[in-house]
Amino acid sequence: KAGVTQTPRYLIKTRGQQVTLSCSPISGHRSVSWYQQTPGQGLQFLFEYFSETQRNKGNFPGRFSGRQFSNSRSEMNVSTLELGDSALYLCASSFLTGGITEAFFGQGTRLTVV
Amino acid sequence: ELKVEQNPLFLSMQEGKNYTIYCNYSTTSDRLYWYRQDPGKSLESLFVLLSNGAVKQEGRLMASLDTKARLSTLHITAAVHDLSATYFCAVDVGGGADGLTFGKGTHLIIQP
Repeated sequence: KAGVTQTPRYLIKTRGQQVTLSCSPISGHRSVSWYQQTPGQGLQFLFEYFSETQRNKGNFPGRFSGRQFSNSRSEMNVSTLELGDSALYLCASSFLTGGITEAFFGQGTRLTVV
Repeated sequence: ELKVEQNPLFLSMQEGKNYTIYCNYSTTSDRLYWYRQDPGKSLESLFVLLSNGAVKQEGRLMASLDTKARLSTLHITAAVHDLSATYFCAVDVGGGADGLTFGKGTHLIIQP
């Protein structure tokens, strides 16, 4: 069974540019969550999608957005990049099993903003 | 606001020793997760703890959950070098919709 796939794995962008990251969840999983990991702030929740609907969003500016497609694949977009957006972006997919959610993480996309 | 605190944040220990990592959280939850992260890698799920008194063991690692005390522990028995990694606990209060709230992680180094 294939795991969570994130593309690209590495990305270098310039301040002011925008970037789109992609996440393909485990087959059958309908919930996709995104997290930002930095040395200073640790792992922080960005947003969660279920059946193409954003159910919740973390405390991030509007420059961070996302969407989910009918096949459960998800993308996140960051506009007007800032140096502080440099981070490892992790995607997690979940399947409700008996009402319990276990999240499986992809390998991440390491974004460097210069 | 949910807060998840892990301690210690850094731990250096010798092979063969036992140690415990603690995870305290600030609000009611009966779903707690432990993850392992190797340098430059993603998060690997170790344990899912779903109810008060839950105890799970895998090899040299054992995790437990006390929902009344809002405390989970990850106990390492007879540590080996391969267990060197960063360990995170995470709490879920919204059934997944609110995401996981992570502790800052415990960076564990096990020396021969």
